[in-house]
Amino acid sequence: AQSVTQPDIHITVSEGASLELRCNYSYGATPYLFWYVQSPGQGLQLLLKYFSGDTLVQGIKGFEAEFKRSQSSFNLRKPSVHWSDAAEYFCAVGATSGTYKYIFGTGTRLKVLA
Amino acid sequence: GAVVSQHPSWVICKSGTSVKIECRSLDFQATTMFWYRQFPKQSLMLMATSNEGSKATYEQGVEKDKFLINHASLTLSTLTVTSAHPEDSSFYICSADRGQGTGELFFGEGSRLTVL
Repeated sequence: AQSVTQPDIHITVSEGASLELRCNYSYGATPYLFWYVQSPGQGLQLLLKYFSGDTLVQGIKGFEAEFKRSQSSFNLRKPSVHWSDAAEYFCAVGATSGTYKYIFGTGTRLKVLA
Repeated sequence: GAVVSQHPSWVICKSGTSVKIECRSLDFQATTMFWYRQFPKQSLMLMATSNEGSKATYEQGVEKDKFLINHASLTLSTLTVTSAHPEDSSFYICSADRGQGTGELFFGEGSRLTVL
């Protein structure tokens, strides 16, 4: 069955520190992979996406993610976190099971300490 | 491009009434739209898949008579919460597929429903 796992429910980092949010997926084919960010009470904003090609993808707000097929992972990274990055982060896989749709991970809530 | 708009952004209603939430693709035609429900501090739960001109496909456990979905045109899908109860209070988000095989879905801003 297709699934997305975000092992860390909460992560706390100090401002200026580096960040890595983990995402593992289970999907039979090469997936489409996405990272979204959601601020409280807001909708989803796309940070970056991977479809094919270079396995290191750059996104908005200084985020990047690396697709590792051997590990079925698509971890999100940022070298220096800003206080405004505090939010909920969702990893998603685009999967075709009948109709093409997203499968979301459970999310990781990021807290940034000043 | 690829803007999806939801209306209303938030709504408060009395228990027993029905509430309609609209999802519009503003600059493209959406062959498929999706409705999600999000409980506080939780992930998005897919409720149903809506295809223009046909009946919606509901996920297991979602009451189709409670959550009526209509996709009357290629730019509009509506979710009607019928006979709303406080447990229906939630954040509802829609997304749309441009149908060009891009693999990316486009999300609305979400609608917060509070049932008193």
